Formats: sequence, C-alpha cells, structure tokens
Amino acid sequence: GPKVLQIPSHQIIDMGQMVTLNCDPVSNHLYFYWYKQILGQQMEFLVNFYNGKVMEKSKLFKDQFSVERPDGSYFTLKIQPTALEDSAVYFCASSLVRAGGYAEQFFGPGTRLTVL
Amino acid sequence: QQKVQQSPESLIVPEGGMASLNCTSSDRNVDYFWWYRQHSGKSPKMLMSIFSNGEKEEGRFTVHLNKASLHTSLHIRDSQPSDSALYLCAASSGSFNKLTFGAGTRLAVCP
Repeated sequence: GPKVLQIPSHQIIDMGQMVTLNCDPVSNHLYFYWYKQILGQQMEFLVNFYNGKVMEKSKLFKDQFSVERPDGSYFTLKIQPTALEDSAVYFCASSLVRAGGYAEQFFGPGTRLTVL
Repeated sequence: QQKVQQSPESLIVPEGGMASLNCTSSDRNVDYFWWYRQHSGKSPKMLMSIFSNGEKEEGRFTVHLNKASLHTSLHIRDSQPSDSALYLCAASSGSFNKLTFGAGTRLAVCP
C-alpha cells in the first residue's frame, strides 16, 4: 500500500540545538500531519498542513516548532531550540482531501528524537 | 479537551479466539472513529473506520458504533498470532481531520 517515509529513524542531539525531521508523504496526498508520542504515552496531534499553510495546531506545537514543505519536497518539522521535553517519537502522516474532510491518514514509521 | 478512552489496556486471547476492544470519546462533536493497528517498531496502519450507527464487517474484523454513547468496539474473530499488536482507537471531528488517539489496547494472541 501507500507508504510514508521518515528520515532519520533516530536522532540524538544536545539541548538547545536545532533539529529538522523529514517526511516523504504519499505522492498524491495533499494533507500532512505531525503527531508526537512520548514513551509510554498516547500519540498526540501537533499540527496539520495544507496548501502551504498550517490549518490547525495543538498546544504542544510550541513557538519553537515550525513546519514547511518547500516546492513539493519533504514535509519538515523543525524544532529550534530543542528542549529536554521534546524527546519523543514523531510520526508524520498524510492523506487525500475528501469531501466532508475525512480521509484515511497514512503514517510513517516515526523518528525517535532524543534530546540530551 | 477531547479524550478517547480505550479498554482494556491489555488483552490475552488464545489462537482462534475472539478479541473485543472498546473505545469511548468524551467529545460530543466527534463524528468519525478510526481503528489503527501498530506492530512493534512499525507505523500505525488503519484497519477500519466507522461514522454511522451500527456495524461494519471486513473479513475477521467487525466494528460497532453507538453514536448516542460515542462508543465504538472492535471485534477480531479467529484471532491469529500475527494479530498481536497495539490497537489504537482515534476520533476525529471538524474539517481538518485532526485525530485524537486513545492510549491503545495491547493484544497478545497465544498459540
């Protein structure tokens, strides 16, 4: 089936550094999402993105976070600067746009981010 | 804040048995439920979705929805060891399809 790829699979960085997580969504999808999962906790919505804009974001999407998809390349999540509480697995997802707004989201395998 | 509660936290069933998983939302605006399965170290994959009252069946999987109580359940008959995984329930509302996930039910199917 359709696959979402995420690069890298693991990233270890020092607190205060910048990190960029990359997502290669399904080729004809137009909605993109980031979710965060802290170890042992449930997956939580961060942000969704459509037509070059953030459509909705949660309280977890701090000012240090930003997303973009320049010229149809990777959909990226940038954290600058990072904090210890940013350590988590970050999942990217993508979906088609459907009438009524509901479409299956396809998830990537996640990027495990460790902030030291 | 919308919450999605799943029960039980973990479940062990014998091979060939029936697994029943439950999920309830506290948000009256929810109108779509999704069931995802996540094998260890892999990405969540959508199993079934439901938005109408009643039941939907696909192969060994059946999902129920009671919209009045915002309760959905997933039933797996003839469970196989390959069904062992984390089962995530998610609810969505609004036009941008944000998913709110439960904590999951970890299913183990023992040969």
